[in-house]
Amino acid sequence: QKEVEQDPGPLSVPEGAIVSLNCTYSNSAFQYFMWYRQYSRKGPELLMYTYSSGNKEDGRFTAQVDKSSKYISLFIRDSQPSDSATYLCAMPTGGFKTIFGAGTRLFVKA
Amino acid sequence: DAGITQSPRHKVTETGTPVTLRCHQTENHRYMYWYRQDPGHGLRLIHYSYGVKDTDKGEVSDGYSVSRSKTEDFLLTLESATSSQTSVYFCAISESQGNYEQYFGPGTRLTVT
Repeated sequence: QKEVEQDPGPLSVPEGAIVSLNCTYSNSAFQYFMWYRQYSRKGPELLMYTYSSGNKEDGRFTAQVDKSSKYISLFIRDSQPSDSATYLCAMPTGGFKTIFGAGTRLFVKA
Repeated sequence: DAGITQSPRHKVTETGTPVTLRCHQTENHRYMYWYRQDPGHGLRLIHYSYGVKDTDKGEVSDGYSVSRSKTEDFLLTLESATSSQTSVYFCAISESQGNYEQYFGPGTRLTVT
């Protein structure tokens, strides 16, 4: 079993839809939960991160952590074609290593 | 964008040849990382550096070596390239060990024939 599991998609939605992207993890010691966005043929860029449980909102994006279920989510409201990208969840292990999910490809159709 | 460049951006090489990829940063960050990205595997850490001449192995380090002689440069060498090393390679930097935010370079697409 991988430490971090993420559905690869692709996920295709119409413009304006609410998007839900999810990851599950197995290590209950993880404390930081991060979401990176990666456009095609580009490097990943940090979108947002949360510490421990709860929600964090940044504009149209909301990150949610449920430590009891070992489940994290990224919601995108009013999705735009410019949101089309691969979204990677990531969890630092506390040392130098960060575990990345394989990424979910999202397509937002105009 | 964080000041990270990678060279070359694309390379095709033959099995058995040595290859060196370069990562250059202008942010003066202490920590630098090399990852490879393959379909279905996400980003996997090859090697990392926590200072000049200070490096250590990641989870997929076999067949790779690194060097860091200056803060701004981190080199990844494939001593004898194999087809299994065909991948996209990303360099990343971070400011401090406790700051988990990593900034990524644009990537190098390497094909080993």
